[in-house]
Amino acid sequence: QVQLVESGGGVVQPGRSLRLSCAASGLTFSSYAMHWVRQAPGKGLEWVAVISYDGTYKFNADSVKGRFTISRDNSRNTLYLQMNSLRAEDTAVYHCARGLCSSTTCPADSWGQGTLVTVSS
Amino acid sequence: EIVLTQSPATLSLSPGERATLSCGASQSVSSNYLAWYQQKPGLAPRLLIYDASNRATGIPDRFSGSGSGTDFTLTISRLEPEDFAVYYCHQYGSSPFTFGPGTKVDIK
Repeated sequence: QVQLVESGGGVVQPGRSLRLSCAASGLTFSSYAMHWVRQAPGKGLEWVAVISYDGTYKFNADSVKGRFTISRDNSRNTLYLQMNSLRAEDTAVYHCARGLCSSTTCPADSWGQGTLVTVSS
Repeated sequence: EIVLTQSPATLSLSPGERATLSCGASQSVSSNYLAWYQQKPGLAPRLLIYDASNRATGIPDRFSGSGSGTDFTLTISRLEPEDFAVYYCHQYGSSPFTFGPGTKVDIK
């Protein structure tokens, strides 16, 4: 059974940084692409970033380009999202999700419950 | 960036009725890489359909997807009580990937 557990969320001031982690179990982590998707309170889903199974390919949403970096450590079965220069509009629940296959052009099919990031002074 | 629009915003139906949800793309979705998700309050989204028409593992056959290019449809043949939720379409063929704004299916 796939389990994805996000951590690292919290309250942070605008302009500061935060790193989210996603611990994966119940799957061969190194075989799958991984995504970050966020959802602001009461709003819809917003795709944030994807990374291929081996970390070679990474893509970001325009809204986070140059500020957020997705990475992974296959030896630790862990996905990361480094978030810099945070803005109020980055406030959301951040979900990590497993891709349906190894490449980036696969949808997310298993999701974690998310970690809340609140950007506020 | 491919912008996805969904209609209607809200669909009010009774259990047993047929639901037809639409998703339109501002440009052609590469390889019809279009998915549909269901989300209930407080829960993570659930993948229903991928590649426009393939049901994900464990999804009942009352859910079906169709379409290509810029126009896609999710059909729920007969609504069950557990199907009342918000549904999102999502394109993953061209970066940046995008989601539609969602269609809420509520009980009439």
